[in-house]
Amino acid sequence: EVHLLESGGELVQPGGSLRLSCAASGLTFHKYAMNWVRQAPGKGLEWVSSINGNGGDTYYADSVKGRFTISRDNSKNTAYLQMNSLRADDTAIYYCATDPYGFRYFDFWGQGMLVTVSS
Amino acid sequence: QSVLTQPPSVSAAPGQKVTISCSGSSSNIGNNYVSWYQQFPGTAPRLLVYDNDKRPSGIPDRFSGSKSGTSATLGITGLQTGDEADYFCAIGDPSLSRWVFGGGTKLTVL
Repeated sequence: EVHLLESGGELVQPGGSLRLSCAASGLTFHKYAMNWVRQAPGKGLEWVSSINGNGGDTYYADSVKGRFTISRDNSKNTAYLQMNSLRADDTAIYYCATDPYGFRYFDFWGQGMLVTVSS
Repeated sequence: QSVLTQPPSVSAAPGQKVTISCSGSSSNIGNNYVSWYQQFPGTAPRLLVYDNDKRPSGIPDRFSGSKSGTSATLGITGLQTGDEADYFCAIGDPSLSRWVFGGGTKLTVL
């Protein structure tokens, strides 16, 4: 059974930084693209970032480009999202999700964690 | 404002059928696979349909997907109160290296 466990979400001040982690189990990790999708309170889903299986290619939504960095450590079966220059509109539940092909579909999702950006 | 348009809400009685539309353009839906996700309040989304019309294992055949031109449709038959949730369509676009989601549709089973 596939499990994705996110960690690192917390309250941070505007302009601050945070690193989210997503630890995966039950799958051949390097065969999956990893993704971050967020959901602001009461809103819909918004794609944030993707990284391919070997970590060589990364992709970002315009809203986070230049501020967020996605990475992965296949030896630890873990993906990361480094978030810098955080703004109030980054406040959301952040989900990690797997994609077996890259830009195809999200087959497994983590439980999500709340990131709150507020002074 | 999403590039994929879904109705904000739909409703139907238990046992009935409902369809949820996802309207796009030739550059998104027309050229890429559509996937659908179900989300209950306070929980993570779950994959319902992938590659336009395929169901993952464990998803009942009451759920179906289709695509025609620049629109996609999620169908749910034999509605149950447990189907009350938000439903999202999504497109992964490898040529533009981005994902887009529909705004979501809240299903109410009356």
